[in-house]
Amino acid sequence: DAGVIQSPRHEVTEMGQEVTLRCKPISGHNSLFWYRQTMMRGLELLIYFNNNVPIDDSGMPEDRFSAKMPNASFSTLKIQPSEPRDSAVYFCASKLGTSGGRGPYEQYFGPGTRLTVT
Amino acid sequence: AQKITQTQPGMFVQEKEAVTLDCTYDTSDPSYGLFWYKQPSSGEMIFLIYQGSYDQQNATEGRYSLNFQKARKSANLVISASQLGDSAMYFCAMRGFNFGNEKLTFGTGTRLTIIP
Repeated sequence: DAGVIQSPRHEVTEMGQEVTLRCKPISGHNSLFWYRQTMMRGLELLIYFNNNVPIDDSGMPEDRFSAKMPNASFSTLKIQPSEPRDSAVYFCASKLGTSGGRGPYEQYFGPGTRLTVT
Repeated sequence: AQKITQTQPGMFVQEKEAVTLDCTYDTSDPSYGLFWYKQPSSGEMIFLIYQGSYDQQNATEGRYSLNFQKARKSANLVISASQLGDSAMYFCAMRGFNFGNEKLTFGTGTRLTIIP
């Protein structure tokens, strides 16, 4: 079975440019999460969707960041304009919906996109 | 809010020995879940094991077991018979079970190195 798919795997861009990261969750999963990993801040949740609806975006750093999930099989994370401090690995993860509160609860991560903003 | 503390930045263990990675947590949620993830040098995050706060028994998955001590708020990962392929970063994480809250909070990780 295909896991979570992210593209691109690596992105190098100049400050001020728009960056779009893409994610395809595991088929049948109805929750999707965007995380960012840096040496300074570790792994932090940016936003998550449930049934394509944004539920918690409190981790989105600022207005330069936006995320969409137009359908159950695709999500984007956009940074406009990008800044050097946005350099990080961005992970997308997905999760199957729970059944009667009995789980499953684990999230499955994609391979990540390593973003470098110069 | 949840907080995860991993106090071991790095560990070196001889191959075939058992290893325990420490994790303590803090939460105000009456029910919650605890997770361990492995991140090899290739960068992907691999789910290893899950423990619910209401589970009566400690979780096990192959060579992985979770030593859950609720009163001490600890959820240590035990890897039996370590292998060279176990060398990686290991992250402890948790979530509360408040309605609509699926956020995972991660610790800072422990870098495990298995020595041949």
